[in-house]
Amino acid sequence: GAVVSQHPSRVICKSGTSVKIECRSLDFQATTMFWYRQFPKQSLMLMATSNEGSKATYEQGVEKDKFLINHASLTLSTLTVTSAHPEDSSFYICSAVDAEAFFGQGTRLTVV
Amino acid sequence: SQKIEQNSEALNIQEGKTATLTCNYTNYSPAYLQWYRQDPGRGPVFLLLIRENEKEKRKERLKVTFDTTLKQSLFHITASQPADSATYLCALGNLWRDDKIIFGKGTRLHILP
Repeated sequence: GAVVSQHPSRVICKSGTSVKIECRSLDFQATTMFWYRQFPKQSLMLMATSNEGSKATYEQGVEKDKFLINHASLTLSTLTVTSAHPEDSSFYICSAVDAEAFFGQGTRLTVV
Repeated sequence: SQKIEQNSEALNIQEGKTATLTCNYTNYSPAYLQWYRQDPGRGPVFLLLIRENEKEKRKERLKVTFDTTLKQSLFHITASQPADSATYLCALGNLWRDDKIIFGKGTRLHILP
């Protein structure tokens, strides 16, 4: 079945630095991918919709200058957390749809 | 605003019994309702989809019902096993390409041996 690969699975970074997370659809093309964030014991919250070849659409309350999304090809979307702060520490998950929704393994970001 | 509620944060069920999880929603008219399983530190895995014109869907030991009048879905696991222990998420939306999915908080299910 279709697979979405997300990398890295864990990352620890210093406050003020930037972190890039990659999301790849391995055997299908995804014109649209979705980025979610999940805090402990909370639901997955949609952050933004990544559109291949155009600007991402951000949900209300999500800072587009802080969470940069690039969807340069039909199989790759990246999320860059810029100038990360400890409150950005969370579990980030990407998703792509091919008849059903497929999710990446998730990335545990810890900002120290 | 759209709201999805799952009945309890945690649920303990004895092995072999049927586990029943509840999902209620408001201010939304989904074309589909989906259930996912999420294990700790992992992304959600799709389990079942039920459409608005379907009342029940089954897959092996899983059964989902969908009542659009009550705005409620029930998710059943029969003959539960310890390996069924996980968080189960209810989600609304469409699975057509380019549509987003809205999730509930999830219910942590513990199957006790």
